[in-house]
Amino acid sequence: DAGITQSPRHKVTETGTPVTLRCHQTENHRYMYWYRQDPGHGLRLIHYSYGVKDTDKGEVSDGYSVSRSKTEDFLLTLESATSSQTSVYFCAIRDSQETQYFGPGTRLLVL
Amino acid sequence: EDQVTQSPEALRLQEGESSSLNCSYTVSGLRGLFWYRQDPGKGPEFLFTLYSAGEEKEKERLKATLTKKESFLHITAPKPEDSATYLCAVQAGMSNFGNEKLTFGTGTRLTIIP
Repeated sequence: DAGITQSPRHKVTETGTPVTLRCHQTENHRYMYWYRQDPGHGLRLIHYSYGVKDTDKGEVSDGYSVSRSKTEDFLLTLESATSSQTSVYFCAIRDSQETQYFGPGTRLLVL
Repeated sequence: EDQVTQSPEALRLQEGESSSLNCSYTVSGLRGLFWYRQDPGKGPEFLFTLYSAGEEKEKERLKATLTKKESFLHITAPKPEDSATYLCAVQAGMSNFGNEKLTFGTGTRLTIIP
């Protein structure tokens, strides 16, 4: 295992509710990523971080924000969840060889 | 815009029946091509990275190859435990996000029948 955990693993929420997903790594890697995976689409990058307090947008960042106050933790927040944000969310870390390793995922259902 | 197309979408093979999965890509300067395996309900598991045309990597029954336009994942004498979705991704040398972004294909769902 690449030393990545995600919490919660499953969540059901209602439209308009804020939701925060957590990614925790034990590898001390600088780069961390949030992706979403939906049928018919490849994994798509939401946001990424290249260090503490250093983040940038990916290709599907609308409606999402992130924070990284410690090297080991990368938080993804849905400010006001919508049904279109029902998805499986994966966190990834990148090693010195630029290989990304993925966490186990969080299944989010927005009703 | 970087693009990755994987084919076929799904493939069913008998145990021991060798075959190949295809990953075609267009990218503005390839920095790396990655293969992952994903089991249902789990995160993608890293298999290989290929960097330049002509490169090959092997792991057990899997061999990945790379040309300037596509990559193949060859599976030799597969076993039922090789059943999974195989994902291909490219990292561009130049992109809007620097070199951080991976562009993924939608995967090939491989089923090995005992």
